[in-house]
Amino acid sequence: QKEVEQDPGPLSVPEGAIVSLNCTYSNSAFQYFMWYRQYSRKGPELLMYTYSSGNKEDGRFTAQVDKSSKYISLFIRDSQPSDSATYLCAMSALTDKLIFGTGTRLQVFP
Amino acid sequence: SAVISQKPSRDICQRGTSLTIQCQVDSQVTMMFWYRQQPGQSLTLIATANQGSEATYESGFVIDKFPISRPNLTFSTLTVSNMSPEDSSIYLCSVEGGQANGELFFGEGSRLTVL
Repeated sequence: QKEVEQDPGPLSVPEGAIVSLNCTYSNSAFQYFMWYRQYSRKGPELLMYTYSSGNKEDGRFTAQVDKSSKYISLFIRDSQPSDSATYLCAMSALTDKLIFGTGTRLQVFP
Repeated sequence: SAVISQKPSRDICQRGTSLTIQCQVDSQVTMMFWYRQQPGQSLTLIATANQGSEATYESGFVIDKFPISRPNLTFSTLTVSNMSPEDSSIYLCSVEGGQANGELFFGEGSRLTVL
């Protein structure tokens, strides 16, 4: 079993839709949870960061962490074609290296 | 934030040859990281490069296959040796930074295709 599982998609939605991206994990020691966005032919860039459980909101993006279920989510409201990218979840325990999911490819069509 | 430049951005290589990828950072950093991103697979750490010491390799990666140099605090190279088609991948250089614990900045990657 992989430490981090992420549905690779692709996920195709119309502009304006609410998008839900998810990851599950097996290591209960994970405390830092991140979402990276990777545009085609670019390196990943940090989008959202959460420590431990709870929600975090930044504009149209909301990150949720449910440690009891070992489940994290990224919600995108009012999705735009510019949101079309691959979204990678990543997580780590204190001082450990980041473990990445495989990434979910999102396509938002006008 | 850090600005990371990688060369080459892409290359097509013949089986059995070696290729060196360069990574330049616009600020001095202690650690530089090399990742591999294969289609449909997770971003995987190859090794951590510290200036002035041998690189630390992750399980499954060895120095003979992926020699790394780190001559100063802003530069590193990764060589992919004796390439086979299985080495076709995107190779990414990264450094830590930002306000989040463990936040990484990445270069744009070097896309290698081995024929």
